Amino acid sequence: EVQLVESGGGLVQPGRSMKLSCAASGFTFSNYGMAWVRQAPTKGLEWVATISYDGSSTYYRDSVKGRFTISRDNAKSTLYLQMNSLRSEDTATYYCTRGKRQKFRYYFDYWGQGVMVTVSS
Amino acid sequence: DVVLTQTPSTLSATIGQSVSISCRSSQSLLDSAGNTYLYWYLQRPGQSPQLLIYLVSNLGSGVPNRFSGSGSGTDFTLKISGVEAEDLGVYYCMQATHAWTFGGGTKLELK
Repeated sequence: EVQLVESGGGLVQPGRSMKLSCAASGFTFSNYGMAWVRQAPTKGLEWVATISYDGSSTYYRDSVKGRFTISRDNAKSTLYLQMNSLRSEDTATYYCTRGKRQKFRYYFDYWGQGVMVTVSS
Repeated sequence: DVVLTQTPSTLSATIGQSVSISCRSSQSLLDSAGNTYLYWYLQRPGQSPQLLIYLVSNLGSGVPNRFSGSGSGTDFTLKISGVEAEDLGVYYCMQATHAWTFGGGTKLELK
């Protein structure tokens, strides 16, 4: 059974940093891309970042470029999201998702339960 | 950036009724290789999103066949043939042709 378990969320002040982790199990982690998708309170889904199966390629939405870094440790089957210079608009539930590659693109076929990040003074 | 516009934003249905949700893209989702990367997700209340449809019209694993997807280019539709209580929640379309973008969501509720 595919499992994705996020951790590392909580309350953080604006301008500070936070690192999210996602522990994956139930599949061969190194065979899949991974991604983070967020959802602000009462809002819709918003893609944040994607990383290829081997970590060689990363993609970010414009609003987080230069502030967030997605990375992975295939030996530990763990995905990360380093978030720096956090803003109030980054407040959201962050979902870890598995990226399945079909044709030439990744899509998100399994999702974790999400971890809440609140940016507030 | 690609914008996906879903209509309606809210849909009221009775059990057994057939309903459709529209997803329109600001750009064609057909890539140069002839592939169209359009997906549908359902987020039930208090739960994480789950995949329903991939590549426009393919059912995800374990998804009932009352769900179907269709469309091309910029116009796509999700149809539920006979709504069941477990289908209530918010439906999102997503494109992966030009990075990744989600539609604003359509809330399906009981009439």
